[in-house]
Formats: sequence, structure tokens, C-alpha cells
Amino acid sequence: DGGITQSPKYLFRKEGQNVTLSCEQNLNHDAMYWYRQDPGQGLRLIYYSQIVNDFQKGDIAEGYSVSREKKESFPLTVTSAQKNPTAFYLCASSLVGRLSGNTIYFGEGSWLTVV
Amino acid sequence: QKEVEQNSGPLSVPEGAIASLNCTYSDRGSQSFFWYRQYSGKSPELIMFIYSNGDKEDGRFTAQLNKASQYVSLLIRDSQPSDSATYLCAVVNSSASKIIFGSGTRLSIRP
Repeated sequence: DGGITQSPKYLFRKEGQNVTLSCEQNLNHDAMYWYRQDPGQGLRLIYYSQIVNDFQKGDIAEGYSVSREKKESFPLTVTSAQKNPTAFYLCASSLVGRLSGNTIYFGEGSWLTVV
Repeated sequence: QKEVEQNSGPLSVPEGAIASLNCTYSDRGSQSFFWYRQYSGKSPELIMFIYSNGDKEDGRFTAQLNKASQYVSLLIRDSQPSDSATYLCAVVNSSASKIIFGSGTRLSIRP
């Protein structure tokens, strides 16, 4: 089945650790995104990428890093520089172009908790 | 001014009534508009998208777009308890480089 797969679904991080969240899509979408959602809040854009080997900072990129070595994959690393990383992380993808309307589809999300 | 604004709610509507959700956006050149539904603890799912001024209907849902007023709305007819969720408005910016989400409106359908 086509879709976006995020792993792990739940992750616990010790303070000072880097952790990486995986995101894979088999929809042949050009663009991929990472959003962060805090309880009761909206989605905030961390990073996005429209083509392989290129990505752009979103509104809250500090303390995060990404790579886009393959079209299907867009992993997010939460570094120790991110002081308050406990949140729900959502990976998404979309086609690029006016005809597609850039409709964005989401993975099931990853819950990250600092212990 | 936020790029995409929504009333956070909660909006309480009796079962069977029409729920009306509103969204305004600041980028006048925006071309594509989306409504997503998000249940607690789950990821957002697409309900409707609209590109042209006017109304677009899909089952119990109607999206309304007014580009002159920079306003997009979602109407839910015959509201059901299963419609209780947070509804997110999303807008593609004028350069089509990213999608910006509002903070969402919590909708509660009371039996």
C-alpha cells in the first residue's frame, strides 16, 4: 500500500542525546516536510525539502537537522541543542506543482519524550 | 498578524446542526486551501481542498473560498458525534514553496 511510514511511533530520549526519526514514503512525492505539534497546539514547520539533496529551514529549525539523500526518505535528527523536544512529530509529503495543488499527506506521527 | 488564523474554540454544536468553521490568511497570492481533521493523538487527515472562489461540496462537507476577503470556511451539515475533532486550515503560500497551517479549531458535537 502507498503511504508514509514514520518510525519509531514512541521514543524516549535522555537529556544530551541525539535521536533520529525516520520517514519513508512510497507515493513518489517530490516534497517532504517535518512538523512539530505540542499538546493543544497547531503544527509548526521544522524543515522541508522539495528535491533530493536540497532542504530549507522552516519556522523552528534550531536544534534539528535533516538530510534528503533519496527521494523516498527524509530523516529528522533531534539534537541535544533542542532544549524542549518533547512533542508529537509529523512527517508529510506532497507533489509539487499547481496541478496537484500541493495536497499534503501525513504519516502517523512519532511521539518523542525526554526523560 | 499570523499567516493563517483560526478561532481556537472549542466550538460546541448540537448533533444534527450545521457546524461552521472559519479561517483567514494573510498572503493574498495564496492559491490552494485545505481543511484537515485531527482526532486527539492522531495525525491530520485531509477532508477538503479548494482552489477557486465559491463553494465546493463533498458529502456533508462544504468548503467556501473568498479570495478577495482572504477567507475560507468549512461547513459540516448534519453534525455527528464522530465529527468532534480539531479542524486545521492549511494554505499554500504564493510561491508554492510551503504549506502553512492554522492552529486549529476544536469542534465538539453534543448529543
